[in-house]
Amino acid sequence: DAGVIQSPRHEVTEMGQEVTLRCKPISGHDYLFWYRQTMMRGLELLIYFNNNVPIDDSGMPEDRFSAKMPNASFSTLKIQPSEPRDSAVYFCASSFGGYSPLHFGNGTRLTVT
Amino acid sequence: KQEVTQIPAALSVPEGENLVLNCSFTDSAIYNLQWFRQDPGKGLTSLLLIQSSQREQTSGRLNASLDKSSGRSTLYIAASQPGDSATYLCAVGRGSTLGRLYFGRGTQLTVWP
Repeated sequence: DAGVIQSPRHEVTEMGQEVTLRCKPISGHDYLFWYRQTMMRGLELLIYFNNNVPIDDSGMPEDRFSAKMPNASFSTLKIQPSEPRDSAVYFCASSFGGYSPLHFGNGTRLTVT
Repeated sequence: KQEVTQIPAALSVPEGENLVLNCSFTDSAIYNLQWFRQDPGKGLTSLLLIQSSQREQTSGRLNASLDKSSGRSTLYIAASQPGDSATYLCAVGRGSTLGRLYFGRGTQLTVWP
C-alpha cells in the first residue's frame, strides 16, 4: 500500500495566484481529512469528507478556500486568490469507517510570497 | 473551543532514560485522546488511541494514560532510544469520528546516544 499521496510536496507561488493541492487517499478508506499546520496555530482541521461528501467545513478559514472530492480516490484543496498568510504545510489524511486511526500524507509545504 | 497544551515544548535526554510527556486540555467532555509522532518533513503517525471510557493504552515501550476529570494525559516512553527522536503530538477528539481532532503544539524529543 502506497499510503496517502499528496502533490506537490512543495509549492511556491505569488500572492493572488490560484493554488491547487491534491490528495489520493488509501484505497478503501471512506473518510478524508484536510489539515493545516503553521507555527502560530499548530494543526487545524479544515474540512472532512465521508464517502466523497463534505461533512464539516467549519474549519475552512474563508471563502478563498474550497475543497472537492469528485471520487473516492482523489481530493483537491484550492486557494483562490492566495495570500502570504496561507503559507503553511497542508496535510491530507484518510481513515476507514471513521473509527480507525488516521493515515497522514507527507504534506504539501505552501509558500506564498 | 477546546485548548490542548503540551509540556515541555522540547526535551533532550540521553539514551536509556524513561520519559514522561504531558498533555492537558480545557474541556473534559472529550470522545477520545490520541498520541501521534511526527518526523521532520513527514506526516503524522498514530501511536496510541484512548477512548473516553478508558484509562490507559500500551504499545510496546509506550504507555498513555488519560484522566478526563483533571483534563490530563501523559505519554510514558520507557528505555528511550535515538530512533524515538521526533515531535510527539497529543490530540483530543471532537466527536465520535476519530479524525476530528484538536491538536496540541507538540513536544520535540531528542534522544542522544
